[in-house]
Amino acid sequence: AIQMTQSPSSLSASVGDRVTITCRASQGIRNDLFWYQQKPGKAPNLLIYGASSLQRGVPSRFSGSGSGTDFTLTISDLQPEDFATYYCLQDHDYLQWTFGQGTTVEIK
Amino acid sequence: QVQLVQSGAEVKKPGSSVRVSCKASGNSFSSHTITWVRQAPGQGLEWMGGIIPGFDTPNYAQRFQGRVTMTADASTTTAYMELSRLRSEDTAVYYCAAFSGSNDYWGQGTLLTVSS
Repeated sequence: AIQMTQSPSSLSASVGDRVTITCRASQGIRNDLFWYQQKPGKAPNLLIYGASSLQRGVPSRFSGSGSGTDFTLTISDLQPEDFATYYCLQDHDYLQWTFGQGTTVEIK
Repeated sequence: QVQLVQSGAEVKKPGSSVRVSCKASGNSFSSHTITWVRQAPGQGLEWMGGIIPGFDTPNYAQRFQGRVTMTADASTTTAYMELSRLRSEDTAVYYCAAFSGSNDYWGQGTLLTVSS
């Protein structure tokens, strides 16, 4: 199964900061990658699909990039509502998907 | 648009089984990939497996092979996930999620507590 290595596991940042989270796949997955945001007690919320396409309704300060094995989620101008946990999810192999371990963005 | 409503919280004893349901309403149940994801307390998201209604051949993450069964009934637009030989480490919130292209829809989650 494809392994997704996400880093960092947590980070502290201030409102207005630019934040970058990375995911590395154990093999090439083209652009078959989602990024999710999750807040405590809630289901995950889709931010990015196809590695770089912004989901409808998601603020443009969120962006995704990458292809193959290395992917990045960037949050520019961090807002108070962005403090949450973020996950990547690969759907490259037929019904053998895997999540990254998650990155918690905390207030500095 | 698809709405997913899951069955209620469960408390089970070690060694027993649980079946969680996920009722879909809205459009095109059979055109979505139905997946199951769990989240243990304080832990990350874990993909368990998925099924495409109408294709009837689910696929499971290796660590759940032999313990999980996923089914989907297109006539009632309901998906099911059954997990057997429960142990305390299976205590988690279990989510169903439906995917189609760039769209995803999630159930509200079902809390399973495994305790003697």
